[in-house]
Amino acid sequence: KAGVTQTPRYLIKTRGQQVTLSCSPISGHRSVSWYQQTPGQGLQFLFEYFSETQRNKGNFPGRFSGRQFSNSRSEMNVSTLELGDSALYLCASSKMGPSGTTSYEQYFGPGTRLTVT
Amino acid sequence: DQQVKQNSPSLSVQEGRISILNCDYTNSMFDYFLWYKKYPAEGPTFLISISSIKDKNEDGRFTVFLNKSAKHLSLHIVPSQPGDSAVYFCAARINFNKFYFGSGTKLNVKP
Repeated sequence: KAGVTQTPRYLIKTRGQQVTLSCSPISGHRSVSWYQQTPGQGLQFLFEYFSETQRNKGNFPGRFSGRQFSNSRSEMNVSTLELGDSALYLCASSKMGPSGTTSYEQYFGPGTRLTVT
Repeated sequence: DQQVKQNSPSLSVQEGRISILNCDYTNSMFDYFLWYKKYPAEGPTFLISISSIKDKNEDGRFTVFLNKSAKHLSLHIVPSQPGDSAVYFCAARINFNKFYFGSGTKLNVKP
């Protein structure tokens, strides 16, 4: 079974530009979450999508947005990039648990390293 | 809002000894707590979890302890092996699938 894939792996953008990152979850997983990882800050939750709907949201400005498609693939968009947006962006997917709720176990992709200059 | 904290950025342990990684949290509504392991250039990998209604969960060399009254979580690795050297993140879940992660502890197991 293929794991979570993220494209691109590396990206360099200039302040003020916008960027779109892509995530393909494990086949059959319907929940996709996005995280930002910066040194010393750990993983900061951005948002979670389930069945094309945003179900949870973290504490990030509206410049950060996402969506999920009917095949569960997800995209994350950051507009008007700032230097502080330089980070590793991780995507994780979860399957449904035996009780019908989303499993707590998340499978992470390798991340997209975004550098804003 | 740092609802999950790992106060030790690094830990060094001799091979064969016990590694104890700690985590504190503030929100009593978390229903699951998890530990993830991360190697450089890879995404985190799920290691072990514990439900908020339990106080201990074991899986091979890994044991997680939960002290709800102290809002404290710990991961014990016995015996520690050089291959365990990685960054360990604790995480807590709320609202179906919203997770709060700690800032990570870098474990170095010396041969």
